[in-house]
Formats: sequence, structure tokens, C-alpha cells
Amino acid sequence: QVHMVQSGGGEVQPGRSLRLSCEVSGFTFSRYGLHWVRQAPGKGLEWVAEIWYDGSHEDYVDSVKGRFTISRDNSRNTLFLQMNSLRAEDTAIYYCARARLYNSDGYYYDHWGPGSRVTVS
Amino acid sequence: SYELTQPPSVSVSPGQTARITCSGDALPKQFAFWYQQKPGQAPVLVIYKDTERPSEIPERFSGSSSGTTVTLTISGVQAEDEADYFCQSSHGDGSFRVVFGAGTKLTVL
Repeated sequence: QVHMVQSGGGEVQPGRSLRLSCEVSGFTFSRYGLHWVRQAPGKGLEWVAEIWYDGSHEDYVDSVKGRFTISRDNSRNTLFLQMNSLRAEDTAIYYCARARLYNSDGYYYDHWGPGSRVTVS
Repeated sequence: SYELTQPPSVSVSPGQTARITCSGDALPKQFAFWYQQKPGQAPVLVIYKDTERPSEIPERFSGSSSGTTVTLTISGVQAEDEADYFCQSSHGDGSFRVVFGAGTKLTVL
């Protein structure tokens, strides 16, 4: 059974940093790409960042490029999101999600973490 | 940018059939996926690749596709199906690889 345990959220002032973690069990962590998806209060879902199964490739939504860094430790089955220079508009619940590639350039998510609330105020 | 368009809300009575649509120009050539999200919870995948249902999802959930519109159908709606439903797809040209619709609030009257 897949379990994804998230930690590291909280409330911070604009310009400060936070690091989110997502510890996974129940599947072979090193075989799957992982993404972060966020949801602002009362809003829809927004893809934030992706990292390939081996950590060799990362990508980000334009609004966080240069400020956020996704990484993973395959020896600890853990995904990270380092968030620097936080802005009010980054306020959201951040979900880690297991990504499934369904064609050459499309993903979907078959397992989600419970979410980490980030408030920038 | 690439957008997927969903109605903001759908209301049905228990036992009726709910249909939630999602429209996008690339849907004729890209699969669509549907997620259910209940208040305070993470999204759950209920339909993948237009019509496939994960084994743990009840049979009353089904998906279909026609042209630029995909539809999530919930037959014999139950009170527990009240939730937000999001469609998701991609544009397919290497950009916009993960795009979500704005979501539809399903209310069970």
C-alpha cells in the first residue's frame, strides 16, 4: 500500500524560505517521477515542479523558476521542495504526487500526498 | 496557454446521473484524467486515459470522450460523491504537459 507522508509546511514572512519533504513507502521510489502540485485557497490545482525518477531532469512552472528547487534522495525514499524568496502568491497547499507518463510528454497522478499548507504573510 | 473548461457547478439528486464535462482543443488527441477532491483532502484519481477506472473506484464512475469534450459520468449518485472534480490533460506539443481544469463542484441535493 502506497503511503506518502508530507512535512515542512508552515507560515513564513515574504522573502523567507521553507523546505517541504515527502517521504514515500509502498512502491519502488527510484522508478517513478515525482511532482509537486499546489492549490491556493479556494482555487484549483496548479502543477509546480517535476523531477525524473533518477533526478537527472527537473522542470518548474515559470512563476517559481529561480526560487524553488525540487530534489530527491532515492536512498531515503524522500522528495523535497526547497522554496526560497517566498511571495504571498505562493500561499497554497502543496501536494507531492507520483507521476505516470502516459505518452511522450504527458503525465497524470495516481497517488497523492496529504498536502502541506504553506502560508506566506 | 492551454485551458480546459469545466462548468463551475453541477447539482443532482441522490440516485440520479451526474455528468461533468471538460472541453479543450487538444482533447481529440490527448487523454484526459479525472480527480475527485473532498474538502480538506488530497485529490484522488477516479478516471484515467479517458475511460479507464482504477480498481478501487466504484463502477458508478465512468468516462467518455467525443471530439473536444470529455465527460465524467456518475450513475446513481450518492451523497458521498459530493466533491470537487478536476479534469487534467496536456497540450501534446511538449508544452503544457500538465494542465488542470478549474474544477466542478458536484452538489448532491
